[in-house]
Amino acid sequence: DQQVKQNSPSLSVQEGRISILNCDYTNSMFDYFLWYKKYPAEGPTFLISISSIKDKNEDGRFTVFLNKSAKHLSLHIVPSQPGDSAVYFCAARSDSWGKLQFGAGTQVVVTP
Amino acid sequence: EPEVTQTPSHQVTQMGQEVILRCVPISNHLYFYWYRQILGQKVEFLVSFYNNEISEKSEIFDDQFSVERPDGSNFTLKIRSTKLEDSAMYFCASQPLAVSTDTQYFGPGTRLTVL
Repeated sequence: DQQVKQNSPSLSVQEGRISILNCDYTNSMFDYFLWYKKYPAEGPTFLISISSIKDKNEDGRFTVFLNKSAKHLSLHIVPSQPGDSAVYFCAARSDSWGKLQFGAGTQVVVTP
Repeated sequence: EPEVTQTPSHQVTQMGQEVILRCVPISNHLYFYWYRQILGQKVEFLVSFYNNEISEKSEIFDDQFSVERPDGSNFTLKIRSTKLEDSAMYFCASQPLAVSTDTQYFGPGTRLTVL
């Protein structure tokens, strides 16, 4: 089941720079997209989300962009901080109460 | 801030044994979920639960699995006869309502090791 894809397994970025994480999806029925952050031995922590009726949502250092025609979304983190080092998962769903479909995750390492 | 809790944090069991994984969702949430992540693989959906019944289940959620909300606060996942391939992190999640902008909040997980 490859409905949500994160093609970059890892990303290394310098502290203070921008981190850009990408996510592609195939199911046109998805109407809500979420980004979760996960540290080792912990559960996914909700970061930011976007509805399919929007193309951008911003929360502090985090911005998510949605391109519905390309079935692509991205998460921008600026400026990146060492505490941002974690695995980031893109997830999507097609119902308000429905299951989340997760991507494989991108390991972000922020170096000083 | 309210959070989803799960116990135990780590469970080791012998193949063929029954295990019960426990979750306490956030108190005013109405929708409950179990997911799992096998080492090196994606987080995958197992089952969703609303109004004391299963809303949806995946192909993984076969007759060996069951869920229950026994007392209005706990939400449990039972595996009747564990297999080696059930070894994974199991995450419970809850969501307040079925509003389009509602989010699922995850617990810290239970690491299940089947020997």
